[in-house]
Order: sequence, then C-alpha cells, then structure tokens
Amino acid sequence: DQQVKQNSPSLSVQEGRISILNCDYTNSMFDYFLWYKKYPAEGPTFLISISSIKDKNEDGRFTVFLNKSAKHLSLHIVPSQPGDSAVYFCAADSSTSGTYKYIFGTGTRLKVLA
Amino acid sequence: DTGVSQDPRHKITKRGQNVTFRCDPISEHNRLYWYRQTLGQGPEFLTYFQNEAQLEKSRLLSDRFSAERPKGSFSTLEIQRTEQGDSAMYLCASSSPAAGDPNRPTDTQYFGPGTRLTVL
Repeated sequence: DQQVKQNSPSLSVQEGRISILNCDYTNSMFDYFLWYKKYPAEGPTFLISISSIKDKNEDGRFTVFLNKSAKHLSLHIVPSQPGDSAVYFCAADSSTSGTYKYIFGTGTRLKVLA
Repeated sequence: DTGVSQDPRHKITKRGQNVTFRCDPISEHNRLYWYRQTLGQGPEFLTYFQNEAQLEKSRLLSDRFSAERPKGSFSTLEIQRTEQGDSAMYLCASSSPAAGDPNRPTDTQYFGPGTRLTVL
C-alpha cells in the first residue's frame, strides 16, 4: 500500500514559468512533510518542509502548500530555472508513530526548458 | 561541516560475494538511517540507529544484511552472499532530534551521496 503518492512521473516547464509538483498521502498520522531534490548519481538534497500545523511554507523560490483535508501537498517553484531540472521526492513522517522512517513517493522528474 | 559521506560511491561485485559500505554522518547528529533506492522508486527505509543502538529494522532487511554503529559515529552496512536483486543505491542519512519546534515535529534527515551497488 503506497502511503505517499506522486502520480506524475514527469513534468516539463519553460524557464521562468511556475513548476507545480503534487503529492498525495493516505495516512492521517503524518504530520511532517518534506521535499527532496535528487540529481543523477547523488543522494537526495533537502529542499523544504512543512509541519501539519501550517498550510504554507516559503523559502525563496520554493513554496510548499499543505491541504490536510484533501491529504495533498504541492511544491511550487517560481520562477523555474534550468538548474531545477532533477527528480523531486515528497516524503512524510509521523512524530507520534514512535518510528523515524520517512515514507517517500516515487518521485517526479522535472525538466525545465531553456 | 562536510555533510554525510559514504564510501565507496560505486561497488560492482559478483553474485555470492560479501560487500560492506560505510557511512559517516554529520558530526553532531546522533541518529543515523539506511535506505535503499531502486530504479523508478523512492528511497525505502532499511534501518535506524540512535547513537550505537539499532532501534528499528525494516522487513526489507533480510538475514543477509547487517548494520552496525559501534561507537555511535560511523556506520557500516554489510550484505552477505549478494544477489542480483540487491543491486540498488544504498543511502545513508543522519539527523539530530527535533528541539521541540512545532514547525519541525520530527527530525529532518540529511542524506549522503549514496553507494551504487551492482551485482553481476
């Protein structure tokens, strides 16, 4: 059972436009969500996170939105740059589960076209 | 702070051989994690250490896999009698406990570059 889903395997966006990456989850115990960026042959790099007490968190060009009722989060990148081309993973955790393992989605490959 | 490091970055081995990977976490982090990532998938949790204690193991971690963190600093992951299905990227991450910040109810894990294992 996939608890974290990224239903779009790939996305292409023109440079300067907005990139929107989506993530859905099923476990209502999740209360911390993260986005990681991964380049080929490298480990995931932490980008931005959001706690379930908030519905929006911003860091520069990156904004994460959380809709708890829909169990949905999204990552907005504005403006998109060619260097943003990578695979983006959504991850979720529960602070009350007693475990510390992240559950990852399958990733969305973003290609920003110059 | 040099981040999480892993060694080797690449390992090619023949089926049936044993392999060992090393992870050096961020120095002040007392929590260390191993994940495995296969093509087209996100990272999957394998095991977790707090200091030297291994506190959780996934059912993905068969009897051929063993992980240690003897002094609560670096960790090793050994795979015995490797099989072709073990081919994957093995990722290590580390974290320090969330300091009661409601904006971070649990740890933020920082990943190393990974070890790419190919079993022929």
